Amino acid sequence: GNSVTQMEGPVTLSEEAFLTINCTYTATGYPSLFWYVQYPGEGLQLLLKATKADDKGSNKGFEATYRKETTSFHLEKGSVQVSDSAVYFCALSNPLLNAGNMLTFGGGTRLMVKP
Amino acid sequence: DTGVSQNPRHKITKRGQNVTFRCDPISEHNRLYWYRQTLGQGPEFLTYFQNEAQLEKSRLLSDRFSAERPKGSFSTLEIQRTEQGDSAMYLCASSREQWQQQETQYFGPGTRLLVL
Repeated sequence: GNSVTQMEGPVTLSEEAFLTINCTYTATGYPSLFWYVQYPGEGLQLLLKATKADDKGSNKGFEATYRKETTSFHLEKGSVQVSDSAVYFCALSNPLLNAGNMLTFGGGTRLMVKP
Repeated sequence: DTGVSQNPRHKITKRGQNVTFRCDPISEHNRLYWYRQTLGQGPEFLTYFQNEAQLEKSRLLSDRFSAERPKGSFSTLEIQRTEQGDSAMYLCASSREQWQQQETQYFGPGTRLLVL
């Protein structure tokens, strides 16, 4: 089956620090990979996605590269801001196995950025 | 585009009572999903609809749970004889099926259920 493992939090950084949140996955075939973000009191929002190996998703200064050889999709940002404080979820969908494209999520990583 | 909406946002109930949640997807989205998220965990898939047809159900969805999407628009999720273990955030998402493209699921704010 499909599974996603991401680093446990919380991750606490100072403003302008470099961010990496690790995500690895297990899936057969060629899943699509996603990062969702959940700000306090809000619903999940898609941050970025990649649909095939070596694709790089990027948005709002965040990046993640689909690495099939290491089954990873690590999230990075060069300089975090206080406003980036949120919970980040790595997820995958596997349309070859699941025609409905349902998402399998990791456990989430809470990021806290201090001024 | 008003986004996915869910009602109520919060629900407190006593063990053994029935509860019903509603989800209104983005208009013209033909797929609708329900997920459950317990504290400190990622969301887990419960069930999904393509138009009005319920096409897949997770083994997490016990026989006390039932979901409907009668006209292919809004959906309801009912939990009968609630148990304390049902306490969670129930998330709804919708998407538009796209031929040979990876669709994006848009999530609502969720309904937080507390069973006393």
